[in-house]
Amino acid sequence: GAVVSQHPSWVICKSGTSVKIECRSLDFQATTMFWYRQFPKQSLMLMATSNEGSKATYEQGVEKDKFLINHASLTLSTLTVTSAHPEDSSFYICSATLQGGENIQYFGAGTRLSVL
Amino acid sequence: GENVEQHPSTLSVQEGDSAVIKCTYSDSASNYFPWYKQELGKGPQLIIDIRSNVGEKKDQRIAVTLNKTAKHFSLHITETQPEDSAVYFCAASFSGGDKVIFGPGTSLSVIP
Repeated sequence: GAVVSQHPSWVICKSGTSVKIECRSLDFQATTMFWYRQFPKQSLMLMATSNEGSKATYEQGVEKDKFLINHASLTLSTLTVTSAHPEDSSFYICSATLQGGENIQYFGAGTRLSVL
Repeated sequence: GENVEQHPSTLSVQEGDSAVIKCTYSDSASNYFPWYKQELGKGPQLIIDIRSNVGEKKDQRIAVTLNKTAKHFSLHITETQPEDSAVYFCAASFSGGDKVIFGPGTSLSVIP
């Protein structure tokens, strides 16, 4: 149980285009979903926290107009990287916490974004 | 806010030996401490966690200890195997809140 699916696993796009990444909790309802960014050989950096039906809470320094987060249901959150540029190339990972659970985060497999 | 430090950053051990990774945290309100294993190109996988009401937890070859007074916790892997090679992250959070703060990670290499 507690499986989080993330799609796509790898995406290449041209500079200036937008990319959408989906995060789904497959067998549970997620109270909260989190989006992280990870650079090579570094730790996970929290970008934003999203709760179903409400606006995401962004960490300091993360541009909310650049990284659009939508959490329309208890099983789906999306991250859209708008007008992507090469510096947005990174590994993006989502996680979800189980509704009624004890703050355990279950992670997706990540999305490798390469912006040309 | 919470800050988590982790040592060592890299660790190489011979197969069959033990590996120990240590973390410290700054916020005394933190009461939940998970450990994650991340293989190359994959998302982190929860391998063990501990809450502040216990001092030690064990699951087969993996154990975690917590010293609340000193605000540090450790991961112990015994009888290491090559498949244990990965990056390990410790983390801390307050279970009433949402955020989990991660340490910088330890790259473990188990040499056959």
